[in-house]
Amino acid sequence: KAGVTQTPRYLIKTRGQQVTLSCSPISGHRSVSWYQQTPGQGLQFLFEYFSETQRNKGNFPGRFSGRQFSNSRSEMNVSTLELGDSALYLCASSYLTGKDEKLFFGSGTQLSVL
Amino acid sequence: AQTVTQSQPEMSVQEAETVTLSCTYDTSESDYYLFWYKQPPSRQMILVIRQEAYKQQNATENRFSVNFQKAAKSFSLKISDSQLGDAAMYFCAYRSINKLTFGKGITLSVRP
Repeated sequence: KAGVTQTPRYLIKTRGQQVTLSCSPISGHRSVSWYQQTPGQGLQFLFEYFSETQRNKGNFPGRFSGRQFSNSRSEMNVSTLELGDSALYLCASSYLTGKDEKLFFGSGTQLSVL
Repeated sequence: AQTVTQSQPEMSVQEAETVTLSCTYDTSESDYYLFWYKQPPSRQMILVIRQEAYKQQNATENRFSVNFQKAAKSFSLKISDSQLGDAAMYFCAYRSINKLTFGKGITLSVRP
């Protein structure tokens, strides 16, 4: 069974641009969550989707948005990029949503904003 | 709000020895799960072990075990018989119904 796939692996953008990151969950998994990882702030929860509906959202500005498609694939969009958005963005999938669910992570997208 | 604290940024252990990584958390909830994740240089987070708050028995997965002290809000990870492949960053995490909160992580190096 294929794991969680994130594309692209690396991305370089300039301030003010927008970016879209993609996450394909493990087959059969219906929940996808996104995390931002930086050396200073560590890992922070962005949002979680289940069956195309956003279930939970972290404390990030409205420039960060996401969506989930009927095949459970998810995209994350960041508009008007800032230097501080440079980070590793990880997505994780699970079969259902819930506090006991095991999360399976992708290898992340490393975003650099210049 | 829930917080997870990993106070040690780095630790080192001799191969075949035992090491304990510490983690404390703060919450007012009673129903939650705790996790330890490993992040090797490949960047992919891997679940090491999980513990349900309602279970008094400490979770064990092969060489990995936890010491869960609910009253003290402490959740440490013990790695026995350390191997070179255990070298990675380890994150403690707390999960309630709403979200997953991570600690800042600890870098574990294993000396041959």
